Amino acid sequence: AQSVTQLGSHVSVSEGALVLLRCNYSSSVPPYLFWYVQYPNQGLQLLLKYTTGATLVKGINGFEAEFKKSETSFHLTKPSAHMSDAAEYFCAVSDSTNAGKSTFGDGTTLTVKP
Amino acid sequence: GAGVSQSPSNKVTEKGKDVELRCDPISGHTALYWYRQRLGQGLEFLIYFQGNSAPDKSGLPSDRFSAERTGESVSTLTIQRTQQEDSAVYLCASSLSQVWANVLTFGAGSRLTVL
Repeated sequence: AQSVTQLGSHVSVSEGALVLLRCNYSSSVPPYLFWYVQYPNQGLQLLLKYTTGATLVKGINGFEAEFKKSETSFHLTKPSAHMSDAAEYFCAVSDSTNAGKSTFGDGTTLTVKP
Repeated sequence: GAGVSQSPSNKVTEKGKDVELRCDPISGHTALYWYRQRLGQGLEFLIYFQGNSAPDKSGLPSDRFSAERTGESVSTLTIQRTQQEDSAVYLCASSLSQVWANVLTFGAGSRLTVL
């Protein structure tokens, strides 16, 4: 069994500020972890994924996430927010190689203020 | 096609009616997934097709829900005798195969409202 908790359904930051979106997971086996972004009226797209190896994962649009097994966390960060980063972000965990059967968190809506 | 296409984009129906939602995956993608996304919640896996193998129906919430896919082409999700709790966005995604290395491409979704 696996689950995902995204802390904070809404996060607001100023343009240029650090973005931190929190994700904690539980999994009975070593997890595969994903972050997806959903822009208004668009489909989800993959930002980054952790499978094995390096625990700091870099993704598209300057985002990165660090897998911390001891904290069961996979928080998403970006050093400097852009207005275009405003979207909904979903963390997901899979306990198998089938990424499509991941368990998704409830999402965090990121607002970027000018 | 260039992306995953879903239709209709919006569907309003009356309680008790049947609805069909369509997903046209990217050409060559053997894996196809359906999800339900209720307001304010994450995606719930419904069903998964991989090539000509038997589908994985483990996420279907009731026997009112069914889906078909012919080969590696279009899929339809059917909800019979719709209930108000079926109101949600239904998302489809496809990938080259089910392995994690292959990126899922999502459609924009079909928003279903049951009155």
